[in-house]
Amino acid sequence: SYELTQPPSVSVSPGQTASISCSGDKLGDKYVCWYQQKPGQSPILVIYQDAKRPSGIPERFSGSNSGNTATLTISGTQVMDEAYYYCQVWDSITVVFGGGTRLTVL
Amino acid sequence: EVQLLESGGGLVQPGGSLRLSCAASGFTFNKYAMSWVRQAPGKGLEWVSTISSSAGSTFYGDSAKGRFTISRDNSKSALSLHLDSLTAEDTAVYYCAKVRNPMTTVPTYDYWGQGTLVTVSS
Repeated sequence: SYELTQPPSVSVSPGQTASISCSGDKLGDKYVCWYQQKPGQSPILVIYQDAKRPSGIPERFSGSNSGNTATLTISGTQVMDEAYYYCQVWDSITVVFGGGTRLTVL
Repeated sequence: EVQLLESGGGLVQPGGSLRLSCAASGFTFNKYAMSWVRQAPGKGLEWVSTISSSAGSTFYGDSAKGRFTISRDNSKSALSLHLDSLTAEDTAVYYCAKVRNPMTTVPTYDYWGQGTLVTVSS
């Protein structure tokens, strides 16, 4: 079965750029989306089709996908961005989530 | 405004059954595939099942195959998940989620419910 690997945690200082990776075999051949989840809340879609932002998502969120790695980038990270982030792809008829990355802003 | 409201969670004994429901509003329900995604306490997201807009196709994750059944009633804008032969490993918050694009099962989820907690314990 297909697997996605994310780092368990990433730390960033306010105002700096955070990068969260998601790796998988030939991941660049698939569309990746990213979800943000804060404690006690439901996930929110922040990036879809590798790099598109849904309405209402700040421009500081961006995405890329090439080779075996997709990356979620948050430019000018704010304290409110502290959350778990999950990548997700669709492999055949199966939906696969990465294990999640805890983003700490301090 | 899109709203997804899950219900039906609770405490159930190992080997028991439960039926989860998701009431949808704010969009044309019969045009969108829907999914269930679960999250065990302190763990990540796990896809459970997807049903096409017409209910003509259903898909299940490995943990759900043979034990869970997804269904929908488009006349009532309602999604359901029947859980059977439950074990402690099924303890989780179960979310219903709406697929972003109409008339496709491509799983990009643009709206999620608040979730309903299922606890399997004796």
